[in-house]
Amino acid sequence: DGGITQSPKYLFRKEGQNVTLSCEQNLNHDAMYWYRQDPGQGLRLIYYSQIVNDFQKGDIAEGYSVSREKKESFPLTVTSAQKNPTAFYLCASSSWRGGMSGANVLTFGAGSRLTVL
Amino acid sequence: AQSVSQHNHHVILSEAASLELGCNYSYGGTVNLFWYVQYPGQHLQLLLKYFSGDPLVKGIKGFEAEFIKSKFSFNLRKPSVQWSDTAEYFCAVNAAYGNKLVFGAGTILRVKS
Repeated sequence: DGGITQSPKYLFRKEGQNVTLSCEQNLNHDAMYWYRQDPGQGLRLIYYSQIVNDFQKGDIAEGYSVSREKKESFPLTVTSAQKNPTAFYLCASSSWRGGMSGANVLTFGAGSRLTVL
Repeated sequence: AQSVSQHNHHVILSEAASLELGCNYSYGGTVNLFWYVQYPGQHLQLLLKYFSGDPLVKGIKGFEAEFIKSKFSFNLRKPSVQWSDTAEYFCAVNAAYGNKLVFGAGTILRVKS
């Protein structure tokens, strides 16, 4: 079945450590996204990528980094510079390639919950 | 910048009650509008979407939403809720030709059986 796989599902980190969250999709989607979900704040966009080897900052990119070396993969690194990293992280993808047609319908993964100890 | 406001964070209803969840957005141009739903333990999934045309759109499981351009609103409705509708509902908007989907804070709906 086509979909998005995020790993790990749960991750614990000590302060000062970088961690990388994996996101893989087999939907042949061009665009991929990382969102952070916090209670009462909805989903906030961290980074997105519309094409391999290119990505843009979202609204809360500080303390995070990404790479897009393959179409299928869009890993997110939570660095020690992120002041409040404990959150639920959602990866999404879309076949949207611009323009009005089709709009930007996202398919989401199951999420990764990061806890900083 | 676009923003989305959802009026209620928590809603509790009895089965068979009618539902209306408010959503307002701030953006002056043409938009695409969405409602996503997150059932307990499940992935976030699309409930319905509006691109253009008839402002009343129907989605899965009997949900519908009405786009009122003059009010910058996209409220979600269901005439009679079921216990299985218990979930968190998110309104989202992206500017036409835009690639950033902006979400509201979400509304947690609990339906009592």
